[in-house]
Amino acid sequence: AQSVTQPDIHITVSEGASLELRCNYSYGATPYLFWYVQSPGQGLQLLLKYFSGDTLVQGIKGFEAEFKRSQSSFNLRKPSVHWSDAAEYFCAVGETGTASKLTFGTGTRLQVTL
Amino acid sequence: EPEVTQTPSHQVTQMGQEVILRCVPISNHLYFYWYRQILGQKVEFLVSFYNNEISEKSEIFDDQFSVERPDGSNFTLKIRSTKLEDSAMYFCASRTMAGRSPLHFGNGTRLTVT
Repeated sequence: AQSVTQPDIHITVSEGASLELRCNYSYGATPYLFWYVQSPGQGLQLLLKYFSGDTLVQGIKGFEAEFKRSQSSFNLRKPSVHWSDAAEYFCAVGETGTASKLTFGTGTRLQVTL
Repeated sequence: EPEVTQTPSHQVTQMGQEVILRCVPISNHLYFYWYRQILGQKVEFLVSFYNNEISEKSEIFDDQFSVERPDGSNFTLKIRSTKLEDSAMYFCASRTMAGRSPLHFGNGTRLTVT
């Protein structure tokens, strides 16, 4: 069965600093990978997705993520964080051929200091 | 941009009562889902629904739960005889087609069972 690990429960960064949120997955084949963001009182918004091809994927709000098969990782990055990026970030994996039955990580809560 | 709409945003019910959580998926979407997130835990898959029938369900989705698409726009989750442990945030999601189309999530319904 697939699984997702987000080792950082809570991260604090200063506005303007760079950000990297870690995600490791366990899956037998090449998975479908996703990052979602949840702002307080809001639903899960898709930031970016990886299905195949270029291992560096660009998303919304200036985020990007890199799929590294050798490390079973799909880390999320942003070069310069804005205060509005404060939210909870979820990494998720879906089975190859489908992106519906997603397995989520426990999430990383990002706090941004001014 | 079209959104998945969920109502109510917060529902409080007494143990043993039945609740119906409502969702209006994006209009041209064909696949529908319910996920839930118990406070402090992962977002978990409950059920997927396509062509007016359940296509997949998790072990959580037992006889206490049912889903229905009563008309062309609504998608509901019914929980019979609620238990304290059913308290969670319930997310509805939809997508256009199978394969590589990502899930679009609603803002969730917070269910509190007292």
